[in-house]
Amino acid sequence: DGGITQSPKYLFRKEGQNVTLSCEQNLNHDAMYWYRQDPGQGLRLIYYSQIVNDFQKGDIAEGYSVSREKKESFPLTVTSAQKNPTAFYLCASSRPGREVEQFFGPGTRLTVL
Amino acid sequence: KNQVEQSPQSLIILEGKNCTLQCNYTVSPFSNLRWYKQDTGRGPVSLTIMTFSENTKSNGRYTATLDADTKQSSLHITASQLSDSASYICVVSADPLDGGATNKLIFGTGTLLAVQP
Repeated sequence: DGGITQSPKYLFRKEGQNVTLSCEQNLNHDAMYWYRQDPGQGLRLIYYSQIVNDFQKGDIAEGYSVSREKKESFPLTVTSAQKNPTAFYLCASSRPGREVEQFFGPGTRLTVL
Repeated sequence: KNQVEQSPQSLIILEGKNCTLQCNYTVSPFSNLRWYKQDTGRGPVSLTIMTFSENTKSNGRYTATLDADTKQSSLHITASQLSDSASYICVVSADPLDGGATNKLIFGTGTLLAVQP
């Protein structure tokens, strides 16, 4: 998992509650990403950040929010506005650039009860 | 529409046998193609990255090929081991159309490989 940690590994939430997923990296990477993985689908980009205090929406940002106050940390909040939040969430990081490898964390499985 | 399709969806092989996984893509403008291995419940781990000019790249028992003309890639696994059981994901990177600094990654749905003793 290359220096990227995600916590918790499993998370349960009641409908209507916001929940925050943690992602920390010690690779000194500038760029960080959040993806969502659902069965039978490829990973989809939620948000990404290329530098501290800046982030951009990905393909499925609705119902999610992020912050990037520190280089090492990129927390993702799943809000009650996300209609189908049950999924496997993956955080990744990379050096800046176009042909760079993304290193993934171990993931957080969120289940809405 | 940018798409990455993988086949087969799942595959069962006996330990010690070879296998080949396929990836077809329609991504433009093409930047590079990556293969990742994802164990169940874990994050993907990179196996290879190939640019337009590379047509083969190896990583131990894994060999990836790329035909940029036909937009096809394959991942060949030699002498499979039980630990090769995982999902293998093909990812194609597109150059950003807005001139930005970050490529857009298009992920395939993966091939689930089971290696049996």
